[in-house]
Amino acid sequence: DGGITQSPKYLFRKEGQNVTLSCEQNLNHDAMYWYRQDPGQGLRLIYYSQIVNDFQKGDIAEGYSVSREKKESFPLTVTSAQKNPTAFYLCASSASGPPLGYTFGSGTRLTVV
Amino acid sequence: SQQGEEDPQALSIQEGENATMNCSYKTSINNLQWYRQNSGRGLVHLILIRSNEREKHSGRLRVTLDTSKKSSSLLITASRAADTASYFCATDWDNFNKFYFGSGTKLNVKP
Repeated sequence: DGGITQSPKYLFRKEGQNVTLSCEQNLNHDAMYWYRQDPGQGLRLIYYSQIVNDFQKGDIAEGYSVSREKKESFPLTVTSAQKNPTAFYLCASSASGPPLGYTFGSGTRLTVV
Repeated sequence: SQQGEEDPQALSIQEGENATMNCSYKTSINNLQWYRQNSGRGLVHLILIRSNEREKHSGRLRVTLDTSKKSSSLLITASRAADTASYFCATDWDNFNKFYFGSGTKLNVKP
């Protein structure tokens, strides 16, 4: 079955560490997105990519980095520069052309310990 | 910010009743979407309505769009306990495939 897979489901980070969240899709979608969700709040766009080897900053890109070397994969690195990284991170993908809606992964909950 | 704002923030109803959630946004859009999120899970796409459409239906869901008022509503008819979730609207504006999400309406359907 086609879908989008995020791993790990839970991640704990120590102060000063970089961590990488994985996002893989087998839907043959061109576009991929990373959103951050804080408790009781909506989603805020971190980065997005519409084609391989190209990505754009969203509204809250500071302290995060991404790569898009393969169509299927869009990993997100939370760097030590991100001062408040504890949140729920959601990856999504969409087909190119007229929008039909996003397909979301099941999320990664990141906690700083 | 282009983010849509949902209203109410929380809604509690009895099973079998209808639930109506509203979304308002600030600038002209091309498309508006509604999503459902069960607690601790990813979002599930429910319905997309284009700026030249006024109403769409999908099963027990009815979405309306009023571009003159910059608002949309999601109606869930004959609600079930399984409809308990948060519901988000998402709007695009400068980029067809980049959507901004509101903070959601938390719906509780009591059995």
